[in-house]
Amino acid sequence: LAKTTQPISMDSYEGQEVNITCSHNNIATNDYITWYQQFPSQGPRFIIQGYKTKVTNEVASLFIPADRKSSTLSLPRVSLSDTAVYYCLVGDLGTGGFKTIFGAGTRLFVKA
Amino acid sequence: DVKVTQSSRYLVKRTGEKVFLECVQDMDHENMFWYRQDPGLGLRLIYFSYDVKMKEKGDIPEGYSVSREKKERFSLILESASTNQTSMYLCASSGGGGTEAFFGQGTRLTVV
Repeated sequence: LAKTTQPISMDSYEGQEVNITCSHNNIATNDYITWYQQFPSQGPRFIIQGYKTKVTNEVASLFIPADRKSSTLSLPRVSLSDTAVYYCLVGDLGTGGFKTIFGAGTRLFVKA
Repeated sequence: DVKVTQSSRYLVKRTGEKVFLECVQDMDHENMFWYRQDPGLGLRLIYFSYDVKMKEKGDIPEGYSVSREKKERFSLILESASTNQTSMYLCASSGGGGTEAFFGQGTRLTVV
């Protein structure tokens, strides 16, 4: 499984766009990139998933360059409620019994 | 609405007790996982199962065992609880090969 590296923490202000970058230099051809969000005392929650280029949903966008060695989660106009830990994972969707491995994540703190 | 249910939200046990943590999912998922989460360490995989009666060790299996007799239920067993097993325990499930995992609310276990 590809190892991921993220910043430990980030600060932002309400209304700003936040970009969290994840490095995954040894990503394999069949690997997808997935981001999760976790609030205190809750389990992680799926945000977005992609393979290449750009993916957008109602919550976030995911940018993946051509070499796929990194990815950037973009949160538009954050609010105080976006304060959470964000995890980046990479893995093969086609492999049965895939192990979902979480790193330490990025702690985002949104200030008023 | 998809659901992963953990049997207890909070649990206090004595050192040396045998502890059972139960997890049930209603999504007919093949894969189920047990993690523990400690401050500063993120989520660490204890065991996972990709089918009934199948199990594989994660990163920190020592002191734990698991049981999956039915597809919807995955149990984590602490054979002889110790104080260093005080932690938040999270159960998750995912479909075959998928990286989108759904998490339960967690069980905060305190061993005294």
